[in-house]
Amino acid sequence: EVQLVESGGKLAQPGGSLRLSCAASGFAFDDYGMHWVRQAPGKGLEWVSRISWSGDSLNYAASVRGRFTISRDNAKKSLFLQMNSLRTEDTAVYYCVKENSDSPDYGMDVWGRGTTVTV
Amino acid sequence: SYVLIQPPSVSVAPGQTARITCEKNNIESKSVHWYQQKPGQAPMLVVYDDTDRPSGVPERFSGSNSAREATLTISRVEVGDEADYYCQVWATGSGHYVFGSGTKVTVL
Repeated sequence: EVQLVESGGKLAQPGGSLRLSCAASGFAFDDYGMHWVRQAPGKGLEWVSRISWSGDSLNYAASVRGRFTISRDNAKKSLFLQMNSLRTEDTAVYYCVKENSDSPDYGMDVWGRGTTVTV
Repeated sequence: SYVLIQPPSVSVAPGQTARITCEKNNIESKSVHWYQQKPGQAPMLVVYDDTDRPSGVPERFSGSNSAREATLTISRVEVGDEADYYCQVWATGSGHYVFGSGTKVTVL
């Protein structure tokens, strides 16, 4: 079964740091780009960051650039999000998401259940 | 900043057709993708690359895309289709991914 399981979300202070992790299983993790997408309470979806399959290409939303860092460990089938200088507006459910294809523009087909960050 | 504009809500009777629009607002993009999110659940991809459906998604869900606007059409709407729906594009110029504002579909 294809699965993504996030962890690391918790209550943090403004200005503090958190590291989110995502464990992947059931697919060839190192074949796909991966994303973090967040959803503030009662709000819509907001894309946060993307990392290519190799880790060589990184993209960030303007709202988190310079504060958040995405990374991956293909050997451990894991995705990470290092979150620094946290703000109250970072409060959200954070989803780990797999790309639908080995191309970056075919949508996102597997979503984790999310981990909650409260700042 | 990039914005995809969707109507906040659409109401439809069971068995009828729901159409959800996504105005691309001059974002340079190639394909549009659509997600369904039911309360308390993670989003689910229902249409990708403008018109394709992942396996397991009913044929009642279809998509179209033009230069200015994309549309998700749900035919023969069922009570179980009640959810929030989001469009999404990859802004090729910036490499950013953008979600629409979301549309709540209510089945009357």
